Amino acid sequence: ILNVEQSPQSLHVQEGDSTNFTCSFPSSNFYALHWYRWETAKSPEALFVMTLNGDEKKKGRISATLNTKEGYSYLYIKGSQPEDSATYLCAFPAGGGGGSNYKLTFGKGTLLTVNP
Amino acid sequence: ETGVTQTPRHLVMGMTNKKSLKCEQHLGHNAMYWYKQSAKKPLELMFVYNFKEQTENNSVPSRFSPECPNSSHLFLHLHTLQPEDSALYLCASSQEKFSFGQGARNEQFFGPGTRLTVL
Repeated sequence: ILNVEQSPQSLHVQEGDSTNFTCSFPSSNFYALHWYRWETAKSPEALFVMTLNGDEKKKGRISATLNTKEGYSYLYIKGSQPEDSATYLCAFPAGGGGGSNYKLTFGKGTLLTVNP
Repeated sequence: ETGVTQTPRHLVMGMTNKKSLKCEQHLGHNAMYWYKQSAKKPLELMFVYNFKEQTENNSVPSRFSPECPNSSHLFLHLHTLQPEDSALYLCASSQEKFSFGQGARNEQFFGPGTRLTVL
């Protein structure tokens, strides 16, 4: 069974604060690490797919880093806005080799609430 | 708008009913997925189809029966469900290469989900 752990489970910040959260995954047989944002009553939306150790990706005020050797990824949000309020999910392909790497195992997510 | 639509958005059914969930993707993708999200649990993969062929059944009970008539449409047929099957059912699609080591490097596009309540 693959363990994908996210912390914290929930986070409340004030508008303008910067914040970050963590995704931990198995460090062996790494293929990719996905980050998704899921706003209430909407569809989960992909933020990043990270594939290389040391990768850093950025989309607006959101960025992510990847450490495949130690099995973690950080998601950062700079200057949080109320519209950033959502659940942030990370997902790791199961399979560990072979053709089943498309099977994503999701973490439980971090619920971010940004207060105006 | 992700290019993946699901109907209905909400469904209430009794344990003896038969119903179907529908998913359609307008993205030209070759892989489609059914996921289940129960309260306080992570998204859980149920089924995977690649080029209309089922490539994964993640130990899902037979009261859930998927169907993929073409690469753009995916159905989940439901019969004799239990109250514990009440959950949000999400469909997703992606463009995947299923060769060794090439999986899951493309993002998945999700529909808005069907909120299912089994009475």
